Amino acid sequence: SQKIEQNSEALNIQEGKTATLTCNYTNYSPAYLQWYRQDPGRGPVFLLLIRENEKEKRKERLKVTFDTTLKQSLFHITASQPADSATYLCALSTYSSASKIIFGSGTRLSIRP
Amino acid sequence: EPEVTQTPSHQVTQMGQEVILRCVPISNHLYFYWYRQILGQKVEFLVSFYNNEISEKSEIFDDQFSVERPDGSNFTLKIRSTKLEDSAMYFCASSMGTRNTEAFFGQGTRLTVV
Repeated sequence: SQKIEQNSEALNIQEGKTATLTCNYTNYSPAYLQWYRQDPGRGPVFLLLIRENEKEKRKERLKVTFDTTLKQSLFHITASQPADSATYLCALSTYSSASKIIFGSGTRLSIRP
Repeated sequence: EPEVTQTPSHQVTQMGQEVILRCVPISNHLYFYWYRQILGQKVEFLVSFYNNEISEKSEIFDDQFSVERPDGSNFTLKIRSTKLEDSAMYFCASSMGTRNTEAFFGQGTRLTVV
């Protein structure tokens, strides 16, 4: 069956450290993989998108990698701050179902001062 | 900054009643979506809509649900004969396209079926 797994339900790290979140997928051939941030009671907010032929994408303190051999994406937040505390969602879409963005269950990140 | 707006923010309805959730997508976007999130669970795809017709739908989106773009600006989700398990946050989203473009989400409508 098809699965998107974010293998940490929760992650708690010290301010200033790098947070690394993992997204693994099974039985998908994603064309694009996206990362979103969701705060409690709010809608997801887009952060970064990476295509299947890209290895890495950066935006300010954020970095995403995409390894289609391992079927995995890593999401990094460097110099983490308490304001980065939120749930981070991995999402993908495929060429055959391009208008269907499927989300993982998310990782709740807490940055302690 | 343009945003997706949803109304109402909270809707309480009696089991068996029909509800209509409303969304105003970003004006130059072409694709529209509905997602739902049951409390504590993941964001689930319901349906995508393009060129005035359903583009894709999930197995959740059965005959109880329908979508419409009645006037070129609003995008609605109708849920007929609501059940207790329909209680969830419903998010509308829109995007310019489907390839290499992100989806912009509204703040959601919290539907409570009693």
